[in-house]
Amino acid sequence: RKEVEQDPGPFNVPEGATVAFNCTYSNSASQSFFWYRQDCRKEPKLLMSVYSSGNEDGRFTAQLNRASQYISLLIRDSKLSDSATYLCVVNPYSGGYNKLIFGAGTRLAVHP
Amino acid sequence: DVKVTQSSRYLVKRTGEKVFLECVQDMDHENMFWYRQDPGLGLRLIYFSYDVKMKEKGDIPEGYSVSREKKERFSLILESASTNQTSMYLCASSRGPDSGANVLTFGAGSRLTVL
Repeated sequence: RKEVEQDPGPFNVPEGATVAFNCTYSNSASQSFFWYRQDCRKEPKLLMSVYSSGNEDGRFTAQLNRASQYISLLIRDSKLSDSATYLCVVNPYSGGYNKLIFGAGTRLAVHP
Repeated sequence: DVKVTQSSRYLVKRTGEKVFLECVQDMDHENMFWYRQDPGLGLRLIYFSYDVKMKEKGDIPEGYSVSREKKERFSLILESASTNQTSMYLCASSRGPDSGANVLTFGAGSRLTVL
């Protein structure tokens, strides 16, 4: 079983739609969780951290479910510019030791 | 604008050649990383470094070595390139050790093709 698993997609949605991605992780002791975004032929960039209480950044909402070992990303009112691959990232270690584990990514395509 | 710079965007090498991939960051970050990214597999950690002259193996170090002689520079070396090392190579850096250690800044990547 992969340490971090994501549905590869693609998720094809119209502009304005709401779309949600899930990601599961295998190490129950994992400490920190993130979503990175990677545009086509570009490098990954941090989108947002995922906190235990859930957190929101504009149209983006991230949530963590430790009991079921998954994190989610919800995008509301999708824009064409949201088209990208979204990488789920887990840090299984504490104390700033950041050997991050990346999922293979979920591809989102937003169409007019 | 802060930056991680990888010296080559595209390289084509022959099997058995020695390959050097250079990475420089201008953020005074302690941590530096080399990943490779392949379709369906995501990013896999090859080597990382928390300090000058320090290196640690990641998940797939076989066939690779690294060098960190200066804080800002982290080099990945393929001693004898093979076709299964054809991939996109991504260098990253981060602060450490604090909460900023989880925020990786990536370079633009180096796409290596081994023939």
